[in-house]
Amino acid sequence: QQQVKQSPQSLIVQKGGISIINCAYENTAFDYFPWYQQFPGKGPALLIAIRPDVSEKKEGRFTISFNKSAKQFSLHIMDSQPGDSATYFCAARRNAGNMLTFGGGTRLMVKP
Amino acid sequence: DAGVTQSPTHLIKTRGQQVTLRCSPKSGHDTVSWYQQALGQGPQFIFQYYEEEERQRGNFPDRFSGHQFPNYSSELNVNALLLGDSALYLCASSPVLATYEQYFGPGTRLTVT
Repeated sequence: QQQVKQSPQSLIVQKGGISIINCAYENTAFDYFPWYQQFPGKGPALLIAIRPDVSEKKEGRFTISFNKSAKQFSLHIMDSQPGDSATYFCAARRNAGNMLTFGGGTRLMVKP
Repeated sequence: DAGVTQSPTHLIKTRGQQVTLRCSPKSGHDTVSWYQQALGQGPQFIFQYYEEEERQRGNFPDRFSGHQFPNYSSELNVNALLLGDSALYLCASSPVLATYEQYFGPGTRLTVT
């Protein structure tokens, strides 16, 4: 059962544009929501993370927006660059244990 | 500071065989988790080790087993390999006071023929 749904599956953005990836979850016991960036042949790299008591977190060009009532969160990449072209995964952790449940991934391509 | 390291990088095995994958956590990390990532999908949690014991397990059969050593490194063993076990196996380590933060290694690509 997929507990974290991610959309879109793929995304093409022009250089300088804003990339937006959305995730929705079902389990209200989730209490930590990280985003990972994965390049081909590499392991996922922790990008940014948020807890449900915060509605927004910004680190450089990356921003997470969190809507607890809607059980949704999203990643915004401002001023997208060709080097941002990668697969992005959202994830969620239950407050009991440290197992991460991942979304299906979004393949982002930033065109120069 | 070396990150999470895994060995081997690639591995080809035959159906029915057994395989052992290895992971060394990032310095200062004492918790190790293992994930399986099928092609085009998100990682799936296998299990997590802390203080040399399995602390949490995902929905994987008993063919998947592991071990953690006193130096926090870990092994993942898979017995009776199936074609469907072909995947990228990822190890992630977590720092002592922030076990929710997981930092992944480059993975081991296992191909079962």
